Amino acid sequence: QVQLQQWGAGQLKTSETLSLTCVVSGESFTRFYWSWIRQSPGKGLEWIGEIEYTGSTNYNPSLKNRVTISVDTSKNEFSLKLTSVTAADSAMYYCTRGPVTGRFDPWGQGTLVTVSS
Amino acid sequence: DIQMTQSPSILSASVGDRVTITCRASQSIGSWLAWYQQKPGKAPRVLIYKASNLESGVPSRFSGSGSGTEFTLTISGLQPDDFATYFCQQYNTFPPYTFGQGTILDIK
Repeated sequence: QVQLQQWGAGQLKTSETLSLTCVVSGESFTRFYWSWIRQSPGKGLEWIGEIEYTGSTNYNPSLKNRVTISVDTSKNEFSLKLTSVTAADSAMYYCTRGPVTGRFDPWGQGTLVTVSS
Repeated sequence: DIQMTQSPSILSASVGDRVTITCRASQSIGSWLAWYQQKPGKAPRVLIYKASNLESGVPSRFSGSGSGTEFTLTISGLQPDDFATYFCQQYNTFPPYTFGQGTILDIK
């Protein structure tokens, strides 16, 4: 049974870089795409981007200039970096498998990120 | 981006009721739609994919239908565990994959 566990800093100051990592267990890391999704009261669920084990990525155009998703296949991990954060980036951030036939499942436990000045 | 609009935003119902949530896409997405359930403090859980396919382990009282721009999620015989927030998500045109704003299903 595939499980995702994520970690990273939850409190940031304006203009800092958000950094989160997700480790995958119970599944072949090389079979799927892996995504980051965030959720905030204002914007709802927002897909940030995806990565394949080869390192091939796709990003949400609205965040593309600030986002980097990377992968470490030796550790079954993938990571998110979001630069120059503002209060608008405050959200719950989730890592997830997918899309697989279009859906995202399962999800990590979530990391609440709060950006303050 | 394809905009996904759910209705209603809030739905009040009772245990045993049959309820329907609608999701409309701003352009045709074929059958490329998924439905999720989310409970407070938890990550979303997929219920339906490709508009009408029930995810493994999901109770059969959940069903999905539709194609093109209009889709529905139906719960037949509401159970206490079903009171939650429901989201739709399209994957026809990406990036980005996009989600509806959510429908809160609460107890009447």
